[in-house]
Amino acid sequence: DTAVSQTPKYLVTQMGNDKSIKCEQNLGHDTMYWYKQDSKKFLKIMFSYNNKELIINETVPNRFSPKSPDKAHLNLHINSLELGDSAVYFCASSPSDYGYTFGSGTRLTVV
Amino acid sequence: SQKIEQNSEALNIQEGKTATLTCNYTNYSPAYLQWYRQDPGRGPVFLLLIRENEKEKRKERLKVTFDTTLKQSLFHITASQPADSATYLCALGGPTDSWGKLQFGTGTQVVVTP
Repeated sequence: DTAVSQTPKYLVTQMGNDKSIKCEQNLGHDTMYWYKQDSKKFLKIMFSYNNKELIINETVPNRFSPKSPDKAHLNLHINSLELGDSAVYFCASSPSDYGYTFGSGTRLTVV
Repeated sequence: SQKIEQNSEALNIQEGKTATLTCNYTNYSPAYLQWYRQDPGRGPVFLLLIRENEKEKRKERLKVTFDTTLKQSLFHITASQPADSATYLCALGGPTDSWGKLQFGTGTQVVVTP
């Protein structure tokens, strides 16, 4: 059983398109996150949700909008995709104040 | 601004030896520090958490130390094996940040040769 699953694993799309990445966790964790890993492998927090409420929103363009329909799901919608959005996006979940469980990542390539 | 630094050069080590990785931080007062392992094409995997009031933590062949005065953590892999080859990330979280925001270093690649 996959603990944190995200789909799709690969996403190739043209500039200007809108796309979504889905994430689900079956660990019963209260908090979920989106991280972006750039080409230099640096992992940067984008958003954090606790029990469906947004608690962290880093300096991310408004084109990125997270949505949490329930505490097991956190989706990421991206409007008007740009070349610079190309990266690997990781979803993660955690209980409070302990280690995170990451998904396997979604490699987004904008052409 | 807050900074978390890990050695960007790969650490090449012979099987059976101890690998030691360093994580230094500035402008930060973390409540805890975590170490993760990341293999190519995979998400990071949580290894260990150490809190600010703890000096050392062990898990099997792994040992982590945390010196809040030096603002440094050391991560040791004893009796290293080729299967330990991966990138290791340190991450800090705590009271100087919004709750739940774990900040990562850039990672150090470890290569264990037989």
